[in-house]
Order: sequence, then C-alpha cells, then structure tokens
Amino acid sequence: GAGVSQSPSNKVTEKGKDVELRCDPISGHTALYWYRQSLGQGLEFLIYFQGNSAPDKSGLPSDRFSAERTGGSVSTLTIQRTQQEDSAVYLCASSLTGGRGNIQYFGAGTRLSVL
Amino acid sequence: ELKVEQNPLFLSMQEGKNYTIYCNYSTTSDRLYWYRQDPGKSLESLFVLLSNGAVKQEGRLMASLDTKARLSTLHITAAVHDLSATYFCAVDISAGGTSYGKLTFGQGTILTVHP
Repeated sequence: GAGVSQSPSNKVTEKGKDVELRCDPISGHTALYWYRQSLGQGLEFLIYFQGNSAPDKSGLPSDRFSAERTGGSVSTLTIQRTQQEDSAVYLCASSLTGGRGNIQYFGAGTRLSVL
Repeated sequence: ELKVEQNPLFLSMQEGKNYTIYCNYSTTSDRLYWYRQDPGKSLESLFVLLSNGAVKQEGRLMASLDTKARLSTLHITAAVHDLSATYFCAVDISAGGTSYGKLTFGQGTILTVHP
C-alpha cells in the first residue's frame, strides 16, 4: 500500500514568509510524528499526534511553529515568519498506534530552504 | 536530557570485512530502533529491540541491546557495497510509563563499503 506522503518535496522561501508542510500518513495509522533533520542538529523530534490530539509538542523550537491534524489523517506543519535557521529537511512519520515497539514509517521529507 | 551517541560517525570498509557500530545512550530505556538512510531518501526501519539481551538479524546485519550497559550494537558481516548508507540508532524516551514513540536519534554513522 501507499507509504507516508509529504508535500512539497522542496520548498524555497524568503525570510519572513510563512510556509505550510503537508503529511499524509499511512491509512489507519493513528500516531503521527514530525521530525526535523539538519546538518547542525541531526534528527530532532518536533511533535507527536495521537488521532487529532497533540499530547507532546515539546520539540517545537518556537511559537512560530505549529501543527495540526484533521480527521485523524492529514497533518500540516506551519512555520510563520521563517528564519534562515529553519532551513532543514522536515520528516513526517506514522505508526499504527504509537505504542511500545511500533515501527515508525517515514516519508521522504520536505526540504525547506529559507533565503 | 537524553544523549544518544554513535561511533564511529564515519566508517569506510572493504567488501568482505566485518565491523560493529556502537550506540550508547544516557538514560534507562528498553526501546531501541535502528534505521537506514540512503542519500536523498527517507529512513527505513531495520530493527526494533525491546528487551535486555534482544538480538535481531537480517541478512548481513545483526543488532543487539544491552539495557544495563545502555548500549546497542549493529554488527556488519562480510560487507557488500549495497550496505553503503547512513545508519541511525534511536531511543524511545516517551515520558512516564506509556510509550508513544518519541525518538531521540544518534548522530548517524556514514558507512561506505569499497570493493
């Protein structure tokens, strides 16, 4: 079946603009995660959704970052007033329930470049 | 704060040789994952280790977990070129008694296998 789908695959934006990144998880997966991968910081957890709720958003780096999930499916990560340090690859992952031992399946990511 | 450290960070191997990648982590956990990432691609799950002494093998790769030493190893046997990739270990540090898959990743080990 289809894997985790992310769009766009690449996004170039100017400093100060807002961007929206989209994630379509694997159908039936209730848990959804956002991570960020950058050269300086490696792979970092951003936020976790169980259904439409976000019990852990502790990894969001600032209040410019927000995320939502609707219908227990699609999630959108929004970055307002982008800064150059936001440049990174944003990865979305989903798992069946989020419980212990559940494998997280990753999308191909959105490469964000802030000029 | 949990730290997950891999070594080596760079590994250049000849085909046919054996080697081990080490993953040390700084807090108690019995939920450890290994992922593979090819250049420009997303992360692919390799192993899930959920108990002390767990050992999993797939082809030329074998992973183990020692929760008392807070150490996991990924052993490569008779390396072949197709194993060239970046390998990440990740520890689930979900707070409290319920795991929900909050992963902290190691820095990654870039493996290059030469003929």
